Amino acid sequence: GAGVSQSPSNKVTEKGKDVELRCDPISGHTALYWYRQSLGQGLEFLIYFQGNSAPDKSGLPSDRFSAERTGGSVSTLTIQRTQQEDSAVYLCASSSLAGGSHEQYFGPGTRLTVT
Amino acid sequence: GDSVTQMEGPVTLSEEAFLTINCTYTATGYPSLFWYVQYPGEGLQLLLKATKADDKGSNKGFEATYRKETTSFHLEKGSVQVSDSAVYFCALSGIYNQGGKLIFGQGTELSVKP
Repeated sequence: GAGVSQSPSNKVTEKGKDVELRCDPISGHTALYWYRQSLGQGLEFLIYFQGNSAPDKSGLPSDRFSAERTGGSVSTLTIQRTQQEDSAVYLCASSSLAGGSHEQYFGPGTRLTVT
Repeated sequence: GDSVTQMEGPVTLSEEAFLTINCTYTATGYPSLFWYVQYPGEGLQLLLKATKADDKGSNKGFEATYRKETTSFHLEKGSVQVSDSAVYFCALSGIYNQGGKLIFGQGTELSVKP
């Protein structure tokens, strides 16, 4: 079946602009996660959704970052007033959490470059 | 808080050499442990996992054993191939992590030469 998809695959934006990153999880997966991969910080957790609610937003680095999920499916990560330090690969993952499994399936990522 | 430490790379080996990538963790209780692999130009893929002490995860010739006494989950392969060249990430999902968010190590880049 289809895996996790993300769009766009690459995004170049100017400092100060807003960007939206999209994630389509595996159908039926109730849990959705956003991570960020950058050279200096490695792989960092950003936010977790269970259905449409976000019980854990502890990894969002500032109030410029927000995310939503609608219909228990697609999620959008929005970064407002982008800064150069936001440049990274943003990864989305989903999981069914069935049987207590925490196995997560990752999308290919969106490479964000802020100039 | 929970954390994962893995050996720094890059690691360069010749084909058919033995591979060990060390991973140790700090967590409350008994987390689930994972190795993820990222091949060049591709996304993260789950390589193997172990959910309780003394479990051995294995896949594609790779193995890792969950060692509670040493809080370790070292990745091993008896004979590496050029196609194993990738970045390997050790990760945990703590029992108190709501929803099972993953905490990753810094990653270890492996390069296998023919």
